Formats: sequence, C-alpha cells, structure tokens
Amino acid sequence: GAVVSQHPSWVICKSGTSVKIECRSLDFQATTMFWYRQFPKQSLMLMATSNEGSKATYEQGVEKDKFLINHASLTLSTLTVTSAHPEDSSFYICSARVLAGGRVNEQFFGPGTRLTVL
Amino acid sequence: QQQVKQSPQSLIVQKGGISIINCAYENTAFDYFPWYQQFPGKGPALLIAIRPDVSEKKEGRFTISFNKSAKQFSLHIMDSQPGDSATYFCAASRSTYSGAGSYQLTFGKGTKLSVIP
Repeated sequence: GAVVSQHPSWVICKSGTSVKIECRSLDFQATTMFWYRQFPKQSLMLMATSNEGSKATYEQGVEKDKFLINHASLTLSTLTVTSAHPEDSSFYICSARVLAGGRVNEQFFGPGTRLTVL
Repeated sequence: QQQVKQSPQSLIVQKGGISIINCAYENTAFDYFPWYQQFPGKGPALLIAIRPDVSEKKEGRFTISFNKSAKQFSLHIMDSQPGDSATYFCAASRSTYSGAGSYQLTFGKGTKLSVIP
C-alpha cells in the first residue's frame, strides 16, 4: 500500500515548450501533495505544497507562474513547467501525505521525473 | 529553527557491520521523524519513522533511536548488506495542522552509504 506514481518518468523537450508532470496516489487519498526538485548529489528542495481544491503554496524563490500546480482531486496533482529553459532541467519528485487510516500523515514519494530541456 | 543537520556526509561500512547515521533538529514543534532511502535515479522510499513518545523503534535490521532532550535521532542499520548502499535522508515535520508549513518535511543533506563486501 501507499504507492505514488509519477508520469512521465523522463521527458526531453525543447526550450520554450511546456511540460506537464502528473503525480498520483494509487491506493490512498491525499489532500496534500508536495513537489520537490533535486539536483545531483543534493538533498530535496521543496518547491510547493499542493492542496486539493485550493491554490498551491510556493516556497520563497519559486516562480508560481512558471511552475503551475493543480490539485484537482484527492489522488492527482500536476506540475506544469511553462516555457521551460535548460536551467529547469532537474529531477522533479512529488510526495503525497496520507489522509486517513493506519498510516495517516505519513508521506510517500513518487519515483521522480527527469526533465531535460534542450 | 527549520534546520535538520545530518552526519556523516558519507559512510563506508563492511558487509555485516553496523551503519549509524545521526541527525539533529532545532524546531521543538517537530513531532514526526522519518528516514528515507534513495537509490540513484529513484524517488525516496520511506524506511522507518518515529514519533517523540518513544525512544526507539525497530523494524527488521533498521532501528531509530530518539533523544528528545538532546533533539537528536539516529538510524542504525544492523548486519549491513551491499544492497543497503544508497543515500539516506533524515527528515522532520509537524504531523498536525497548525497553519503554514504544516506537514512539510525538513530534510537533512543526506548520507551516502557504501557497504563493501
């Protein structure tokens, strides 16, 4: 149980295009999901908190117009990188907080999405 | 106030030995302390977690020791195996809603563990 999926697992795009990444909790509900970036050999950097039915909360320094987050249901959050540039190339990972049950409030991570912008 | 300090940065352990990773936190509002294991190119996987009402939690070869007064917690991997070679992250968060920042995990910088045969 407590499985989080991400799609796609990797994507290569041209500079200036937009890329959408999906994060799904497969066997539990999550009102709160989190989006992270991770650079090689570094820790996870929280980008934003995604709340079902309300606006995302962005961390300082993260452009909300560039990284659009939508949390349309209790099992799906999407991150859209708009007008991507090479500096946006990174490993993007989502996590989902368990809403109820025996593992309430625990967070489980997706497998990550490798974005490469040419 | 939000930092979690993790040490060592890297660790080499012989197969069968004990791996020990330490973390210290500052924010006394934190009440949930998970450890995550991450392999290259993969997302972090929840390994084990502890809450401050207990001083130790064991799951298989993995044990968390928690010292509330010292604001420290550690991960012990017994009988370390080459398959345990990965990067380990400690984290801390508030597990109840109390406004902005609730549930957000504050991560340590990670420890790269190498278990040699």
